[in-house]
Amino acid sequence: DAKTTQPTSMDCAEGRAANLPCNHSTISGNEYVYWYRQIHSQGPQYIIHGLKNNETNEMASLIITEDRKSSTLILPHATLRDTAVYYCIVRVPMASGTYKYIFGTGTRLKVLA
Amino acid sequence: GAGVSQSPSNKVTEKGKDVELRCDPISGHTALYWYRQSLGQGLEFLIYFQGNSAPDKSGLPSDRFSAERTGGSVSTLTIQRTQQEDSAVYLCASSERDPSYNEQFFGPGTRLTVL
Repeated sequence: DAKTTQPTSMDCAEGRAANLPCNHSTISGNEYVYWYRQIHSQGPQYIIHGLKNNETNEMASLIITEDRKSSTLILPHATLRDTAVYYCIVRVPMASGTYKYIFGTGTRLKVLA
Repeated sequence: GAGVSQSPSNKVTEKGKDVELRCDPISGHTALYWYRQSLGQGLEFLIYFQGNSAPDKSGLPSDRFSAERTGGSVSTLTIQRTQQEDSAVYLCASSERDPSYNEQFFGPGTRLTVL
């Protein structure tokens, strides 16, 4: 199974871009990369996902390296409400035709006023 | 419409007892997932149901854990002969179909404490 590695914690100044890295060096060609975040005591919330190409939505951008061994989640203008734990996830197809989602340990992002 | 709901929100049980945790997915969502989150840890994937297909159970941590999904809707996660290491928040999520194109919506979780 592909495993993800993330820094334990990061700080970011309010209004600045937050760049959260993730290593997934053993990822296979058909395994998607997902990002979710979890605000204290709540269920995780979807942010973005991708396979090969860079992706952007209203919340964030996802930059995936050409070799797919790492990715970076970018929050372009971090606000205090973006303080959360950010999880990098790999979705692994299983023989049964279903999928297994492997969560990283997460990066605790603290946005500072 | 209503989101994913889970019950109970909190469960305290004694070691060795069986517990059942319930998940009601969003109406119309065919995919349903169970995760476990131990204190201060990330999420551990347990099992995934897609429609009426048989789930892959290889993510379940031991044979004391089992899950069912009746009628393609409500799911129950059962833990038999609970142990203290089973204490965690159990999260359920659902999505519309093939999650390549759809996000998972998470419920509030059930906090299980095994004394």
